[in-house]
Amino acid sequence: GQSLEQPSEVTAVEGAIVQINCTYQTSGFYGLSWYQQHDGGAPTFLSYNALDGLEETGRFSSFLSRSDSYGYLLLQELQMKDSASYFCAVRDNTDKLIFGTGTRLQVFP
Amino acid sequence: DTEVTQTPKHLVMGMTNKKSLKCEQHMGHRAMYWYKQKAKKPPELMFVYSYEKLSINESVPSRFSPECPNSSLLNLHLHALQPEDSALYLCASSPTFTGGTDTQYFGPGTRLTVL
Repeated sequence: GQSLEQPSEVTAVEGAIVQINCTYQTSGFYGLSWYQQHDGGAPTFLSYNALDGLEETGRFSSFLSRSDSYGYLLLQELQMKDSASYFCAVRDNTDKLIFGTGTRLQVFP
Repeated sequence: DTEVTQTPKHLVMGMTNKKSLKCEQHMGHRAMYWYKQKAKKPPELMFVYSYEKLSINESVPSRFSPECPNSSLLNLHLHALQPEDSALYLCASSPTFTGGTDTQYFGPGTRLTVL
């Protein structure tokens, strides 16, 4: 079967750095995406890694290691507004986007 | 305009009712999706339309009936739903279904409650 595993919850304080891991096992792989979803809101696209290495977009960075079937989202200089759920996602060999189990990030003052 | 709109925001319906959810995008995207999301769970794909044709139906019960009248609109017709169908229904779109990156643009969702 297909699976994308993430920690269920992560907590941190404002200004800190947090890493959210994602390990995947899917039939086919074209790249790893990350989405953010605030309570009651829509998922919004954060980043995409097709190749190994680190992609940086402002305070957020995303890393991929295809040989390890592993990636992570790194959030720096945490702000209260970063409190949300974060999902990794993989497009499989039928082009469907498969979402990870989701990580709830709580940022405290 | 990078927005996907959905109506209604909230819907409460009985098990014998017929209702429809609507989704609209004006980004010129040729792929549109319906997802179902339960609380604290990831979105689950229901249907994919590519160039206004149904490409994927994830074995969704026939009480859910999708429709794509044109490239900007996507409907989900609901009939004889069960209480376990209560969830957030998300519409999404992307430039294409195959190829490219995985960027999908999601609407705010319709919170559906079935009594």
